[in-house]
Amino acid sequence: SQTIHQWPATLVQPVGSPLSLECTVEGTSNPNLYWYRQAAGRGLQLLFYSVGIGQISSEVPQNLSASRPQDRQFILSSKKLLLSDSGFYLCAWSGKGQFVGLNTEAFFGQGTRLTVV
Amino acid sequence: GDSVTQMEGPVTLSEEAFLTINCTYTATGYPSLFWYVQYPGEGLQLLLKATKADDKGSNKGFEATYRKETTSFHLEKGSVQVSDSAVYFCALSGGAGGTSYGKLTFGQGTILTVHP
Repeated sequence: SQTIHQWPATLVQPVGSPLSLECTVEGTSNPNLYWYRQAAGRGLQLLFYSVGIGQISSEVPQNLSASRPQDRQFILSSKKLLLSDSGFYLCAWSGKGQFVGLNTEAFFGQGTRLTVV
Repeated sequence: GDSVTQMEGPVTLSEEAFLTINCTYTATGYPSLFWYVQYPGEGLQLLLKATKADDKGSNKGFEATYRKETTSFHLEKGSVQVSDSAVYFCALSGGAGGTSYGKLTFGQGTILTVHP
């Protein structure tokens, strides 16, 4: 069966420090990968998605970047954290539909709670 | 663009009460619709889904019917338990048609608290 691992679970970082959150998927190949953020009191927002190695699409302009160095590895980074980067970050994966327009659900990791102080 | 609107929360119920959480959507094409649940301190779990009009998704006593005519996907449960306390998210995928790559558009989430 497929599993998704995300770490660390919690992180407290000072403003201006770098960030690296890692996510790996097991039990599937060539998944679509996603990073979502849930800011305090707000809903979930898609930050980045990737359909393949080295292919990253950004949904919103921000202080963060994403990379996919391997098929089942997705990394969220920042060179200098801002207070507004605090939130709950969720990595997710989905399969690729066999037919155009066939949609598949996303499966989420346990999340990383980031507090920037 | 696509959007999902959920009823405002929080919702507080007594055990065994009936639950409805309203969800309406705006999308082009034929989206798939989902309910996700987030228990305290955890990530999101898929609760149920429906992929075409008039489909009913169900799981753990929860149900939701895909109503294209009213663009709704309301979540219901006949008798809630304390263990159902969580945040519930309505979401859609594929509204634009074609390859949406499984990207999800979420509602703002509804906090449910069930008291004994």
